Amino acid sequence: DIQMTQSPSSLSASIGDRVTITCRASQSIGYSLNWYQHKPGTAPKLLVFAASNLQSGVPSRFSGSGSGTDFTLTIHSLQPEDVGTYYCQQSYSIPLTFGGGTKVGIK
Amino acid sequence: EEQLVESGGGLVQPGRSLRLSCTASGFSIGDYALNWVRQAPGKGLEWIGFIRTKGYSATTEYAPSVRDRFTISRDDSNGIAYLQMNSLKTEDTAVYYCARDAEWFVRFYYKAMDVWGHGTTVTVSS
Repeated sequence: DIQMTQSPSSLSASIGDRVTITCRASQSIGYSLNWYQHKPGTAPKLLVFAASNLQSGVPSRFSGSGSGTDFTLTIHSLQPEDVGTYYCQQSYSIPLTFGGGTKVGIK
Repeated sequence: EEQLVESGGGLVQPGRSLRLSCTASGFSIGDYALNWVRQAPGKGLEWIGFIRTKGYSATTEYAPSVRDRFTISRDDSNGIAYLQMNSLKTEDTAVYYCARDAEWFVRFYYKAMDVWGHGTTVTVSS
């Protein structure tokens, strides 16, 4: 199974800050990496697919990059509504696996 | 609006069975593979399995943690997918989500879960 490791596990930043979350795969997965946002009591939301493609309707302050084993999700200007937990997920091979999550809060 | 709604959760004793449903609206469920994902209390998201479309013989794949105990099926005519859970354990306690499997062509084919339900809670306890 491919293990996905996210860092940090949590962070707090100020409104308007640039926030970076990293995700590392235990083996090369090409560009088969997705990012989701999850807020308590709600449905998880797809933000980025295939490493760098923004899902329709997602604000342009979100971006994804990387390939192979190392990937990054960036929030270019943190907004109050971005509070939540962010997960990476590999779609390269079965079983599909998620990272452990990064909880983002506001300072 | 494209939606998925899970139902069927509840309190169940260890060793018993439970069947969850995932009902689609706003799109034809038969056109998509469907995933089940869960989140145990205080933990992250865990993929537990998916079912392909009938065009791929509705074949299924499962995570090792639930293989041989859980079964996913689909009823496209009624727009519903099911998760049959047998021999439940306390560690199966979680919120269970269904999620649609979408595919894009960006030089190659890539997949992600683009529509999710709000989840249904399963508690396994004596």
